[in-house]
Amino acid sequence: AQTVTQSQPEMSVQEAETVTLSCTYDTSENNYYLFWYKQPPSRQMILVIRQEAYKQQNATENRFSVNFQKAAKSFSLKISDSQLGDTAMYFCAFNYGGSQGNLIFGKGTKLSVKP
Amino acid sequence: DSGVTQTPKHLITATGQRVTLRCSPRSGDLSVYWYQQSLDQGLQFLIQYYNGEERAKGNILERFSAQQFPDLHSELNLSSLELGDSALYFCASSPNSGANVLTFGAGSRLTVL
Repeated sequence: AQTVTQSQPEMSVQEAETVTLSCTYDTSENNYYLFWYKQPPSRQMILVIRQEAYKQQNATENRFSVNFQKAAKSFSLKISDSQLGDTAMYFCAFNYGGSQGNLIFGKGTKLSVKP
Repeated sequence: DSGVTQTPKHLITATGQRVTLRCSPRSGDLSVYWYQQSLDQGLQFLIQYYNGEERAKGNILERFSAQQFPDLHSELNLSSLELGDSALYFCASSPNSGANVLTFGAGSRLTVL
């Protein structure tokens, strides 16, 4: 069974600095997708970034980038130039990419950006 | 606005009661997923429907059931409610049967007293 582990329950960062959130996963699949979702106090689940396992290039979306290490089954999220609006719960998620799919989520990391 | 609409936003009810949560997927999306988010269990997948048919089942209790209608909206029925069913219930949709492009609704907060 696939599992997703986020080992940092809480983190904090100063505004304008860089922070990295960790995620590891376990799967025997070769083709899959990895995601980072953000859940601000509004509760809405917002997709931050997505990575296809077959792509070697790390995904980037503006200030957000990932470090995808397939052999190590590691998928960390780097937030550059942190902003107060980045304060949220961040969830790492896995989908094996089949036609019958659902997301498997980690427990989340609570990120606080301090002014 | 994500395009996925969930009603009601908040619901307070008593143990033993039954409630129905409703979800309208994003226009053009054929799959609907239901997730439960609670403090102790995190985000748990409940069930998926694709174009009206059940596609995948997760940790859904027998007291819970769901369906997807011909207009593609979905309902999640929760019966014989217990205190532990208090949670945030999310609906998400995707264009096809896979979950690699998932859009979430704002959630329905259920409180069982």
